[in-house]
Amino acid sequence: EAQVTQNPRYLITVTGKKLTVTCSQNMNHEYMSWYRQDPGLGLRQIYYSMNVEVTDKGDVPEGYKVSRKEKRNFPLILESPSPNQTSLYFCASTRDRGDRTEAFFGQGTRLTVV
Amino acid sequence: GDSVTQMEGPVTLSEEAFLTINCTYTATGYPSLFWYVQYPGEGLQLLLKATKADDKGSNKGFEATYRKETTSFHLEKGSVQVSDSAVYFCALSGSGIIFGKGTRLHILP
Repeated sequence: EAQVTQNPRYLITVTGKKLTVTCSQNMNHEYMSWYRQDPGLGLRQIYYSMNVEVTDKGDVPEGYKVSRKEKRNFPLILESPSPNQTSLYFCASTRDRGDRTEAFFGQGTRLTVV
Repeated sequence: GDSVTQMEGPVTLSEEAFLTINCTYTATGYPSLFWYVQYPGEGLQLLLKATKADDKGSNKGFEATYRKETTSFHLEKGSVQVSDSAVYFCALSGSGIIFGKGTRLHILP
């Protein structure tokens, strides 16, 4: 079954404690991205990756890092989380950046930073 | 740059009412257009899509037509059900995926 898997689904952490949200896809997609969803703001892209070792900033990259060492995995790293990063996060993948077919999304990670 | 504008929510309707959620876009080139749906506590899933002008996407009773002349992709359903309560996102895909802000839909029994 084609899927994007994110972990954890829920996370509560304290300010400044490094965390990683994992994302894995089993479709051999080249393009992967991270979004955050906030009320009234919709989905905003944080980072994207067009292939292994190729990553770039999206619209709201401040405070986040990513890596793409393998095609299937695209972890999101918060080196020093702050309360304004409390949000719902989604990982997505498509065959390539210009793909005209659908994007597949993970189930989401609800992060609370206190 | 490319952008998507969709009607603000929340939208509250009674069961069996007619639904329209407006969506317009700005893009260079010829993007594909999508509607995604997010049910409570879940991720986004594709509802329907259209890849060129005058295409009509349809699924689960929902429809949307790609109108290049008005740069629109309005979502419609003739008779909504309580189970349609969700957040709906209009999106375009040209070079990356760009989403509208989402429209929350409440259907009352």
